[in-house]
Amino acid sequence: DTEVTQTPKHLVMGMTNKKSLKCEQHMGHRAMYWYKQKAKKPPELMFVYSYEKLSINESVPSRFSPECPNSSLLNLHLHALQPEDSALYLCASSSMAPGSYTFGSGTRLTVV
Amino acid sequence: DQQVKQNSPSLSVQEGRISILNCDYTNSMFDYFLWYKKYPAEGPTFLISISSIKDKNEDGRFTVFLNKSAKHLSLHIVPSQPGDSAVYFCAASVGSGGSNYKLTFGKGTLLTVNP
Repeated sequence: DTEVTQTPKHLVMGMTNKKSLKCEQHMGHRAMYWYKQKAKKPPELMFVYSYEKLSINESVPSRFSPECPNSSLLNLHLHALQPEDSALYLCASSSMAPGSYTFGSGTRLTVV
Repeated sequence: DQQVKQNSPSLSVQEGRISILNCDYTNSMFDYFLWYKKYPAEGPTFLISISSIKDKNEDGRFTVFLNKSAKHLSLHIVPSQPGDSAVYFCAASVGSGGSNYKLTFGKGTLLTVNP
């Protein structure tokens, strides 16, 4: 299995909703990442988990809450989002091997 | 401050010709460089990478060239095919893997290959 799987593919949520994005990989990668990508912009790093511990938080607002239940799963819990948070949310994973950085297909999030 | 720059937002080439996509970086700590290809509504797909100890890496139709003194790299696609039409992102990192490893991306170049 050489894939990173993200669910759901599309999500529409209201500003008072609570939802979660899920990411799964079975490549044995011990680092997992959340990126945010707005239209016509590069992916921007949000969080890095290394060996299931949060190692980097790129000053992300607390309405985004990551969770890594085990080495294969990464969640992003969303609460009280704003319309400007609408974006493509990408999950990635990597190992020590060069070039192992693998992205999922993303969740297209729309906040209304 | 943008540490990885792709100054051409778009590039259009004829099928069969060479596509050359350029990327510049400012952070001299970067020692590993990658190119990703992205179709709409999909995640980036890894294409090819190069370590700073090399100046060229080739994989089939794709070749990446690195000029460390100029802090410049380029991706050559020969021959270009219509299926190569996508956004190409240049990315750079310190090291090539491990804990806390992160990529810094350029803004991307939209390549269109015309039949």
